[in-house]
Amino acid sequence: GAVVSQHPSRVICKSGTSVKIECRSLDFQATTMFWYRQFPKQSLMLMATSNEGSKATYEQGVEKDKFLINHASLTLSTLTVTSAHPEDSSFYICSARAALAGMTDTQYFGPGTRLTVL
Amino acid sequence: QQQVKQSPQSLIVQKGGISIINCAYENTAFDYFPWYQQFPGKGPALLIAIRPDVSEKKEGRFTISFNKSAKQFSLHIMDSQPGDSATYFCAASPTFYGQNFVFGPGTRLSVLP
Repeated sequence: GAVVSQHPSRVICKSGTSVKIECRSLDFQATTMFWYRQFPKQSLMLMATSNEGSKATYEQGVEKDKFLINHASLTLSTLTVTSAHPEDSSFYICSARAALAGMTDTQYFGPGTRLTVL
Repeated sequence: QQQVKQSPQSLIVQKGGISIINCAYENTAFDYFPWYQQFPGKGPALLIAIRPDVSEKKEGRFTISFNKSAKQFSLHIMDSQPGDSATYFCAASPTFYGQNFVFGPGTRLSVLP
């Protein structure tokens, strides 16, 4: 149980295009999902916290107009990188915090999405 | 006060040895301390976690030791194997739905065959 999926796992796009990444909790409901960015050999950098049905809360320095987050349901959150540029190339990881009583209150991470902007 | 410190940054251990990674925190509101294991190109996976009501938790070859008064906790990997080679992140959080975890900077473990 407690599986989080991400799609796509890898994407290559041209500069100026937009890319959407989906994060799904497959077997549990998650009122809160988190989006991280990770550069090679570095720790996880929190980008935003996404609560179902409300606007995402962005960390300082993260452009909310560039990184659009939608948390439409208890099992799905999407991150759209708008007008992507090479400096946006990174490993993007989502996580979901379990909302149901009886489940371990922890974060379950997706497998990550490798974005390469040419 | 929100920071979680982690050491060492990297660790090399011989097969069969014990790997020890240490973390320290300041915020006394933290009451949940998970460890995550991450392989290259993959998302972090929950390895083991502890709450302050116990001083030690063991799952297989992995043990968390927790010192509440010192605000420190550590991960011990017994009989380390090459397959344990990965990056390990400690984290801390208050038990409050919606709150993010504070992650340590990570430790790259290499277990030599």
